[in-house]
Amino acid sequence: EAQVTQNPRYLITVTGKKLTVTCSQNMNHEYMSWYRQDPGLGLRQIYYSMNVEVTDKGDVPEGYKVSRKEKRNFPLILESPSPNQTSLYFCASSSSGRLTEAFFGQGTRLTVV
Amino acid sequence: DAKTTQPNSMESNEEEPVHLPCNHSTISGTDYIHWYRQLPSQGPEYVIHGLTSNVNNRMASLAIAEDRKSSTLILHRATLRDAAVYYCILPNAGGTSYGKLTFGQGTILTVHP
Repeated sequence: EAQVTQNPRYLITVTGKKLTVTCSQNMNHEYMSWYRQDPGLGLRQIYYSMNVEVTDKGDVPEGYKVSRKEKRNFPLILESPSPNQTSLYFCASSSSGRLTEAFFGQGTRLTVV
Repeated sequence: DAKTTQPNSMESNEEEPVHLPCNHSTISGTDYIHWYRQLPSQGPEYVIHGLTSNVNNRMASLAIAEDRKSSTLILHRATLRDAAVYYCILPNAGGTSYGKLTFGQGTILTVHP
């Protein structure tokens, strides 16, 4: 089954404690991205990657890092989480970026206290 | 970035057709029109996309105006499971943020039994 898998689904952490949210896709997609969703602000892109070792900033990259060492994985790293990063995070992948459908993960609800 | 305008909310009765409009008057000749929906507590889900011609799939139909400045997502027989937020999106066509999906506020569809 084609899918994008995020882990964990829920996470509560403390300010400053480094964390990683993993994202994996099984469709051999080249394009992957991370979004965060906040009430009243909708979904906003954090980072995206057009292929292995190619990443770039989205609209709200501050406080986040990503890496793309393998085609299937695109982890989101918060080196020093802060309460304003409390949000619902989604990973997405697609084969072409705009010509085909994007598949989204189920989301990771992060709370930073 | 080409922008889209959608009504904040719409209502429908179960088993009836639903027409969800979207205006994109600044669309360029190479912009694809994508529709996604987000059910409660889930990640966005691809519905349909097109360029110039009307498109049909198992979920919905997409009617694109001749001048491409507007489009309509058609759900032929709404079910309770179709209650969601529907997003009309024009993925970035090139340059930086290629393929980025910019989610606006979308249209909240309520389906009454």
